[in-house]
Amino acid sequence: NAGVMQNPRHLVRRRGQEARLRCSPMKGHSHVYWYRQLPEEGLKFMVYLQKENIIDESGMPKERFSAEFPKEGPSILRIQQVVRGDSAAYFCASSPPGQKHSGNTIYFGEGSWLTVV
Amino acid sequence: EDKVVQSPLSLVVHEGDTVTLNCSYEVTNFRSLLWYKQEKKAPTFLFMLTSSGIEKKSGRLSSILDKKELFSILNITATQTGDSAVYLCAVTSGTYKYIFGTGTRLKVLA
Repeated sequence: NAGVMQNPRHLVRRRGQEARLRCSPMKGHSHVYWYRQLPEEGLKFMVYLQKENIIDESGMPKERFSAEFPKEGPSILRIQQVVRGDSAAYFCASSPPGQKHSGNTIYFGEGSWLTVV
Repeated sequence: EDKVVQSPLSLVVHEGDTVTLNCSYEVTNFRSLLWYKQEKKAPTFLFMLTSSGIEKKSGRLSSILDKKELFSILNITATQTGDSAVYLCAVTSGTYKYIFGTGTRLKVLA
C-alpha cells in the first residue's frame, strides 16, 4: 500500500513563475492536508480538503495561493507569482474518512521542496 | 494565540547518552499531544498522548504528558547515531489542525 505521494520532490522556480505541487493521498484516504515548513521552523497548517471541497483554508495566504482536490486525480497546491519567501518544504498529509483526526491516522508525504531564485 | 514551544532548539550528544526533549504548550481545548521524528523527509509518528502521567514507551524512546503544567517530555536512552533527527512536538485542539513547535535538532556523535 503506497504511502502519501508527493511530486515533485524538488522544484526550482524563478520569481514571478508559478509552482504546482501535487499530492496523491494514501489509498482509501479522502482527507488531505497541506502544511508548510519554512527553514528552521515547525510545520504550519495551510489547508484542509476533502474531495471537491475546501473545508478550511485559514492557514493559507489569501493571495497567490490556492488548493484543490478534484474528484479524480491528486490534490494540487498552486502558488502563483512566487517570491523568495515562498521557498519552503510543503508537506501533504492524508487521513481516512469517518475517523477522528488523530496522530496515528494521519500520514505525511515526503514533502516538496520549493526553491525560488 | 495557540503555541507550542520546544527546548532545547538543538542538542549534540555522544552515543550511549540519554537525552530529554521538552515541549510546552498553550492551547485552547487541548485534545492530544504528538511527537514526530523528522529526518529530512516525512515526519514519522512516534507517540500520541492524551492523558496525564501515563508513560508511552517504544524501545529506547518514552514520553509522558503533564496536563496540569502543560508540557511533555520525550526521553531517548542509549542514543545511537540513527537517532539524529529533528523531533517535532504537535498539539491538536479538538480540530484537524496540528500546531507544531519548531522542533529540537538532535545530533548523536559516534
